[in-house]
Amino acid sequence: EADIYQTPRYLVIGTGKKITLECSQTMGHDKMYWYQQDPGMELHLIHYSYGVNSTEKGDLSSESTVSRIRTEHFPLTLESARPSHTSQYLCASSFGGLAGINQETQYFGPGTRLLVL
Amino acid sequence: KNQVEQSPQSLIILEGKNCTLQCNYTVSPFSNLRWYKQDTGRGPVSLTIMTFSENTKSNGRYTATLDADTKQSSLHITASQLSDSASYICVVSDRGSTLGRLYFGRGTQLTVWP
Repeated sequence: EADIYQTPRYLVIGTGKKITLECSQTMGHDKMYWYQQDPGMELHLIHYSYGVNSTEKGDLSSESTVSRIRTEHFPLTLESARPSHTSQYLCASSFGGLAGINQETQYFGPGTRLLVL
Repeated sequence: KNQVEQSPQSLIILEGKNCTLQCNYTVSPFSNLRWYKQDTGRGPVSLTIMTFSENTKSNGRYTATLDADTKQSSLHITASQLSDSASYICVVSDRGSTLGRLYFGRGTQLTVWP
């Protein structure tokens, strides 16, 4: 069982509101990721981090922003939510060392289902 | 273009039966292939991981195979149980970047009926 947590699990919010999706992991992993997943579709990487004070945009353009002030914490913020942001957001982490391949396995949180009205 | 295609898109089987899910990929250079299980409303959980030199890998009733020459993988589920109902996602990693870029399939939605 992976020790990676996301809150809230479900969020219904009105257009224009600012929201922050929380993600925390207790495994000491250096790398953390945010994915967006629509029903029946593949996961799309929107942000990732190699470590503290390191953040990069992923493959899918997103209006969200992230921060990595602490190793265990990787919150995602939407300054002004829109209905097009309705989706499931998955946070993941992996070991960032140079060791074997199994340590590249990403461990996923339970996800946050966001509905913007 | 690096892609991962899975089939079938959805599958319904009776409890106790076996099934096989397919994954074809065009990712290059290839590093490894993982099968994840994603229960409804949950995050994906890794089932198996295979590198270029591995042909088969088992995890309980799950057996994954890999043919790196034809760029195909399959996930065989033996004696299915109701708890096997989930989306099964094929994920391929390349060696072309420090990040170890992951390419996700859309998943096969498996439903096991009693």
